[in-house]
Amino acid sequence: KAGVTQTPRYLIKTRGQQVTLSCSPISGHRSVSWYQQTPGQGLQFLFEYFSETQRNKGNFPGRFSGRQFSNSRSEMNVSTLELGDSALYLCASSSWTENYEQYFGPGTRLTVT
Amino acid sequence: GNSVTQMEGPVTLSEEAFLTINCTYTATGYPSLFWYVQYPGEGLQLLLKATKADDKGSNKGFEATYRKETTSFHLEKGSVQVSDSAVYFCALSKVGGNQFYFGTGTSLTVIP
Repeated sequence: KAGVTQTPRYLIKTRGQQVTLSCSPISGHRSVSWYQQTPGQGLQFLFEYFSETQRNKGNFPGRFSGRQFSNSRSEMNVSTLELGDSALYLCASSSWTENYEQYFGPGTRLTVT
Repeated sequence: GNSVTQMEGPVTLSEEAFLTINCTYTATGYPSLFWYVQYPGEGLQLLLKATKADDKGSNKGFEATYRKETTSFHLEKGSVQVSDSAVYFCALSKVGGNQFYFGTGTSLTVIP
């Protein structure tokens, strides 16, 4: 089956702008989680969506938001970008039928200048 | 709270050497434990997992045993190859939930 896809793969934005990243989970998976990966902080959990509802949330400011659509595709949005938001943003999908094993996409590399 | 602590890297080994990457965890209840691997420019791939105490996860020559008494899940491989060069992440997930907690990652470089 097709894996998790994320678009775009690379993005360059300027401070103060906003950005939207997209994630398409594996077919049949209803849970989508987002992570931020940076060299200094490692992998940090942003939030998880299940059936269009945010079920878990990490410790990030309100500039980071997300949503999930009825087809389980998810988007995350970052407003008022800061230099420190430069990171690899990873999306993972999972299903309770597979014991919530997470399958990761290739990530979106965001660079804020 | 829940957290994962793993051995800091980077680790450099010669081909065919023995590999151990230490991982310990703190969790309430009985979490599931995972090792993920990340190759350059890619996302994370599940390497192996264990869902209960004394379970041994194994894949591609890698092994890890869920030790509840020492709250550990150390990754081992008897003979590493150049192709094993990557970053390895230990992780746990809460029972019945879907929030993962990752360690900081250990970079492994295997030289011929």
